[in-house]
Amino acid sequence: ETGVTQSPTHLIKTRGQQVTLRCSSQSGHNTVSWYQQALGQGPQFIFQYYREEENGRGNFPPRFSGLQFPNYSSELNVNALELDDSALYLCASSLADGRDTGELFFGEGSRLTVL
Amino acid sequence: GESVGLHLPTLSVQEGDNSIINCAYSNSASDYFIWYKQESGKGPQFIIDIRSNMDKRQGQRVTVLLNKTVKHLSLQIAATQPGDSAVYFCGVGTSYGKLTFGQGTILTVHP
Repeated sequence: ETGVTQSPTHLIKTRGQQVTLRCSSQSGHNTVSWYQQALGQGPQFIFQYYREEENGRGNFPPRFSGLQFPNYSSELNVNALELDDSALYLCASSLADGRDTGELFFGEGSRLTVL
Repeated sequence: GESVGLHLPTLSVQEGDNSIINCAYSNSASDYFIWYKQESGKGPQFIIDIRSNMDKRQGQRVTVLLNKTVKHLSLQIAATQPGDSAVYFCGVGTSYGKLTFGQGTILTVHP
């Protein structure tokens, strides 16, 4: 168990709709990253939040947006859903303490299906 | 941008054998390199990382080798167990928490 929880675990939407996914970080972690994992592929970096500010973004359009709250929990919002948005969305938390490490703590993901 | 590719999409071994999973990368500016394991229905789990100024690092039953000359990364698992069966992802990181993953190798361990 990583202590990172995501909700909902599964959801189905139709094209054009909007979705909000939620993530609760591991206690003591101040950084949250979101990844998209298509079936059979490795996770792709969407963006990262540190101290409630976006701190880097991958190659995703502006309809992918996020928030980080004072308690370090986070949301991923996707507007105008497209069929290709169907994927597993992973949240990962970490502690930015000056050590440069590749260790992130992932949740089990939210499986989004767009019809 | 970064590009990461694994040499074999699947690897099948017998319990007790040593496993070697190989990976190639293209971005020489990467700060560190990573290996993650993902079991069915779960999120990726960190195994080990190695900084770009190192060529070998050992963990519990795992060793990661980095060859910057040929841009090659490998993960060695000693005495592979059925519980090691999973998808293994190599990846690179250029700054904290921002990782680029490869497509993954499916490791199957037969009892």
